[in-house]
Amino acid sequence: GAVVSQHPSRVICKSGTSVKIECRSLDFQATTMFWYRQFPKQSLMLMATSNEGSKATYEQGVEKDKFLINHASLTLSTLTVTSAHPEDSSFYICSASGRDQNDRNEQFFGPGTRLTVL
Amino acid sequence: GQNIDQPTEMTATEGAIVQINCTYQTSGFNGLFWYQQHAGEAPTFLSYNVLDGLEEKGRFSSFLSRSKGYSYLLLKELQMKDSASYLCAVPDSNYQLIWGAGTKLIIKP
Repeated sequence: GAVVSQHPSRVICKSGTSVKIECRSLDFQATTMFWYRQFPKQSLMLMATSNEGSKATYEQGVEKDKFLINHASLTLSTLTVTSAHPEDSSFYICSASGRDQNDRNEQFFGPGTRLTVL
Repeated sequence: GQNIDQPTEMTATEGAIVQINCTYQTSGFNGLFWYQQHAGEAPTFLSYNVLDGLEEKGRFSSFLSRSKGYSYLLLKELQMKDSASYLCAVPDSNYQLIWGAGTKLIIKP
């Protein structure tokens, strides 16, 4: 399957600071990237969908001014958590949408970023 | 609307077989995915079904019945490393994945 990378894998920051998470599709062009958040023992929750070159579409309840998403190219999307607070501590996972060798539209997941806000 | 149901937790014995069910209600159908997720890690792809029937892939098999809105994931010869959450997901018309809450599978020796 395709490879999606995320950086950093783990980040600890102080309350009030901003954190940027990168998501890259390494061997295919992802027209759409998805950002998920997962709190402990809970399922994945879609935060937003971003299409290359256009503004992200945010799910209900997700603050677009707090979670800034940039999808500047077909291989890179970034999520910036602005003025992070302890309640933002979570596991953030990106996925990139593309067609695999069987022409199946599938989401390929990054390894995730563990954010801890002190 | 779209809705996916799967059991919250299941327990099985090492070496045994376990079946994890998933029922879904969608306005259209673009296939059904099963993912495995170990604690603290991102989901990993297991299977994709778009036609009715059983697809076997090693120790894991996945079944789909579109008319019944039903799928199951069958795990054979269970190993301790199979302890994980198993997520059922269906794409909506925009190919956004709609996720089930996941089934936590506990394997006992």
